[in-house]
Amino acid sequence: DTGVSQNPRHKITKRGQNVTFRCDPISEHNRLYWYRQTLGQGPEFLTYFQNEAQLEKSRLLSDRFSAERPKGSFSTLEIQRTEQGDSAMYLCASSLAGSFGYTFGSGTRLTVV
Amino acid sequence: QQQVKQSPQSLIVQKGGISIINCAYENTAFDYFPWYQQFPGKGPALLIAIRPDVSEKKEGRFTISFNKSAKQFSLHIMDSQPGDSATYFCAANLSGSARQLTFGSGTQLTVLP
Repeated sequence: DTGVSQNPRHKITKRGQNVTFRCDPISEHNRLYWYRQTLGQGPEFLTYFQNEAQLEKSRLLSDRFSAERPKGSFSTLEIQRTEQGDSAMYLCASSLAGSFGYTFGSGTRLTVV
Repeated sequence: QQQVKQSPQSLIVQKGGISIINCAYENTAFDYFPWYQQFPGKGPALLIAIRPDVSEKKEGRFTISFNKSAKQFSLHIMDSQPGDSATYFCAANLSGSARQLTFGSGTQLTVLP
């Protein structure tokens, strides 16, 4: 499979719990992005990695959110003390540096109850 | 200034007809304008993209028209098919932002058989 893989596909959690999502990008892609998409809206940028370095973070990424990309391969996005407003689809995308287009994964749908 | 405004919110077209979706932006520092197609339960997929130094780009049944002076761009789907039924998002990339995309709010296209 040469696409962007995200796990889990769905996650239901109780308010206040921590959750972690994983993204496996296309193997040769050195850039990795996280976006959040709420129902009926376009994706919103959260953060971006080039190799293992986190180079940009949106103001949407509160202190409860943390993302890592150890060794420049897969990435994890952790949300601590989840709130109902965190319910959304979390999308990961990857690209080659210098490339204009990037490839999205199918996302992880988070529901906070 | 970071917003991309998309219209219409929804569109119903007969099979074989032309679907037209419009987007407008304010920030003249945007330098790349892609369109994404998203099916339910999937991540957005890059459809076609244009740079501001070109007024039109065509790929198969999909055409982007770009009006730099009006700061508007549109997607035309010729000979629309039921399989084109999906949500379409325009987006824009801020020059120098490492491909961080600002998305429109989406257009849900339904092509009737």
